[in-house]
Parts: sequence; C-alpha cells; structure tokens
Amino acid sequence: SQTIHQWPATLVQPVGSPLSLECTVEGTSNPNLYWYRQAAGRGLQLLFYSVGIGQISSEVPQNLSASRPQDRQFILSSKKLLLSDSGFYLCACSDRVNTIYFGEGSWLTVV
Amino acid sequence: AQSVAQPEDQVNVAEGNPLTVKCTYSVSGNPYLFWYVQYPNRGLQFLLKYITGDNLVKGSYGFEAEFNKSQTSFHLKKPSALVSDSALYFCAVRDIRDVDKIIFGKGTRLHILP
Repeated sequence: SQTIHQWPATLVQPVGSPLSLECTVEGTSNPNLYWYRQAAGRGLQLLFYSVGIGQISSEVPQNLSASRPQDRQFILSSKKLLLSDSGFYLCACSDRVNTIYFGEGSWLTVV
Repeated sequence: AQSVAQPEDQVNVAEGNPLTVKCTYSVSGNPYLFWYVQYPNRGLQFLLKYITGDNLVKGSYGFEAEFNKSQTSFHLKKPSALVSDSALYFCAVRDIRDVDKIIFGKGTRLHILP
C-alpha cells in the first residue's frame, strides 16, 4: 500500500515569506495527488490536485501554487504568505477509483 | 459539482450505546463514498468505502455504513460505542463522472461519554 511522506511537520513563517511544503509517495506509480487544507481542526478544503507530471488543477484561487516535478512528488508553494494561510496541510494520493490515503500533515503558522 | 453535507457538528453518545454519524451527498453521476477518522494532530485514516454492490458496507473498528440512493445518504454506524471512538469523522465523495476530484464534508466530532 502507499506511504506518504510530508515535510516539514511543523513550520512557523512570518507574513510575506515564501513557503514550500513537500510530499512524496512510495508504493504506487502514476497516482493522483492532492493538497488539502484544514483550518481550526474542521473541514477539509481541496486546494490542488494532479493526475500526472506537470498537470495541476486548482480548486481555490489564492496565493498558493502547486507543482508536480516527478511522478511521486507534489509541492505546495507560496511566494508571499498571508496570515490566513495558517492551517494544517494534508497531502494525499489515490488511484482513479479507490481509496485516498493521507500523509500525517504539516502544521503551518504564519506570524 | 459534487458536494457532501455532514449536518451535525458534534454527536454525543454514551459508551455502549449505538452511534450514527450522518452524511448526505450530491453528485451528477454515481457516487463513490468514503468515511475517514481523524485523531488530534494526525492525518486522516480510512474506515470504509462504498463503490458498488451491497448497500451495507463494513469497515474497520466495527464501523459500518449504509448507502441509500433514494435519500442520497451514507450514514456511519456502530452498534456499541467505545470511548476510544471519540474523534473527528469525515465523509467524502467521488463522482464517477469526475473521479479525479474528491470532496470532503466539514466533519462531525464524536464524543463517547464514559
């Protein structure tokens, strides 16, 4: 089964600084990859998903971006963080019809 | 576009009693439905899924869910609650016509009272 690695696990960044969260997947090939954000321990907001290298679909217009430079690597970035970007970021992977599996998450606090 | 509703922010159940966590969905095609559980500061763990076949699906930790197409519901159930079941539960849906997108409900916090 798939294993998803996310890092860093926690991050404290000042407003206006850049961001890079990384996610890599083991145990599968050509997966769909996802970035979700969870604010205040509640609902999951789908930010980006990717069905292949270089293919990114954005669900919410904002100052975040995503990239997929390799089949099993998914990166979430920002050039300038806002306070509202704080939250728990979850990377996930899935095939096209089955279960989605999650990493352990990255806590981002923007100060 | 697909959507998921979990109408209860919180559900309180006494230990040993049956529990139900509600979920309704909206899709344009046929749904794939999932339940996940989240413990504090952790990622989501898969509990069970409905893809096709029997409407009653059994999953991990004694949980089950019933797919009801006419009511567009997929409620999570357990016959006898444990204190360790206390957590945040998420329902999710994939639309067969848009399988790459997976949408989650806002979550329901389950409190099992000893």
